[in-house]
Amino acid sequence: DTGVSQNPRHKITKRGQNVTFRCDPISEHNRLYWYRQTLGQGPEFLTYFQNEAQLEKSRLLSDRFSAERPKGSFSTLEIQRTEQGDSAMYLCASSLALTSLQETQYFGPGTRLLVL
Amino acid sequence: AQSVSQHNHHVILSEAASLELGCNYSYGGTVNLFWYVQYPGQHLQLLLKYFSGDPLVKGIKGFEAEFIKSKFSFNLRKPSVQWSDTAEYFCAMFSGGYNKLIFGAGTRLAVHP
Repeated sequence: DTGVSQNPRHKITKRGQNVTFRCDPISEHNRLYWYRQTLGQGPEFLTYFQNEAQLEKSRLLSDRFSAERPKGSFSTLEIQRTEQGDSAMYLCASSLALTSLQETQYFGPGTRLLVL
Repeated sequence: AQSVSQHNHHVILSEAASLELGCNYSYGGTVNLFWYVQYPGQHLQLLLKYFSGDPLVKGIKGFEAEFIKSKFSFNLRKPSVQWSDTAEYFCAMFSGGYNKLIFGAGTRLAVHP
């Protein structure tokens, strides 16, 4: 059973650089979510895809953030011109949404980003 | 606005003690409720979930939670904790109108032998 995988697991970058994270969901899961988690807080929703369509974006997702899921399988999250406030754990989750409400999201190990 | 509150940020127990972690949510419609656990160095794992039906749900490792609609609560319980239960516990809700999980801030549990 392959769960959700994320790469890289850790990323250290300098302020102003661009970074890209990848998420591979559980096979055949149609929904893919990105969350951000900072120290002492629960994960906060960033965006989600149903298949390849990005259906919702949080107000947390500034113009410097972009996410794609080009073929409805893996997804990438890019942060341009990183700022120190972007330092966080970025979590990916996937689910098989068969009805509008009953779905369970399974999380990957996350990518921990540190912006110096 | 929808929100989830976990009242205990840090809990310290001795092995064999009973555990109850509080979770309250704010939303007037139909919700799904979850408890996730994050063991040290590991990723978030599903502990248990409530969709509908019996308000008392059982999860893995002897955990259970009770959904009380009138109190907007979904408290997590375990009759006898073990050292291996040391972890951070997150309560979360999902509503179809918003299509996302909303998490509480988490409760960090430390169990001493």
